[in-house]
Amino acid sequence: AQSVSQHNHHVILSEAASLELGCNYSYGGTVNLFWYVQYPGQHLQLLLKYFSGDPLVKGIKGFEAEFIKSKFSFNLRKPSVQWSDTAEYFCAVNAGSNYQLIWGAGTKLIIKP
Amino acid sequence: DTAVSQTPKYLVTQMGNDKSIKCEQNLGHDTMYWYKQDSKKFLKIMFSYNNKELIINETVPNRFSPKSPDKAHLNLHINSLELGDSAVYFCASSHGLAGNNEQFFGPGTRLTVL
Repeated sequence: AQSVSQHNHHVILSEAASLELGCNYSYGGTVNLFWYVQYPGQHLQLLLKYFSGDPLVKGIKGFEAEFIKSKFSFNLRKPSVQWSDTAEYFCAVNAGSNYQLIWGAGTKLIIKP
Repeated sequence: DTAVSQTPKYLVTQMGNDKSIKCEQNLGHDTMYWYKQDSKKFLKIMFSYNNKELIINETVPNRFSPKSPDKAHLNLHINSLELGDSAVYFCASSHGLAGNNEQFFGPGTRLTVL
């Protein structure tokens, strides 16, 4: 069965630190990849997505993610985090002709001021 | 200017009761979804409707019945509630069924069954 793994369930960083959140999926064919974010008290919203072209995609608020097909990975990065990045981050994958999104369990990111 | 709204936000009820959660989107989307988020935070698709027709119906007990009176609404009715139904339920919508379409989420409904 297809699955999405986010290995870090909780990450605590200080402001200005660099961030990388891991996301791995299990599917060998064509994929569409997403990162969603849920800020405290707010709705889940799209951070960025990849479906073709340049494997390095840029999203809102300075986030980027790189699709590495050989590693089945789509890690999220930000060079310098801010306190306002405190949120829960979810990776999701749409595989092949299936309409469904398969979700990771989320990573709770806490930025210390 | 709420895009996807759900009511109620919190729902506390006894085992065996029947309850409904309502979802409305004002984005003009033709596809809507219901997800269940369990205690481990995994989001699992329950149902997907496209133009009021059921497209995805995952392995969900038939106590759960979605109803789509029009493209802007997808309600979830749950019969004979059980303890294991306690979870956060999210409604979402998208423009079309294509797998690369962004989904827009509601705020979630936290259901607690006592």
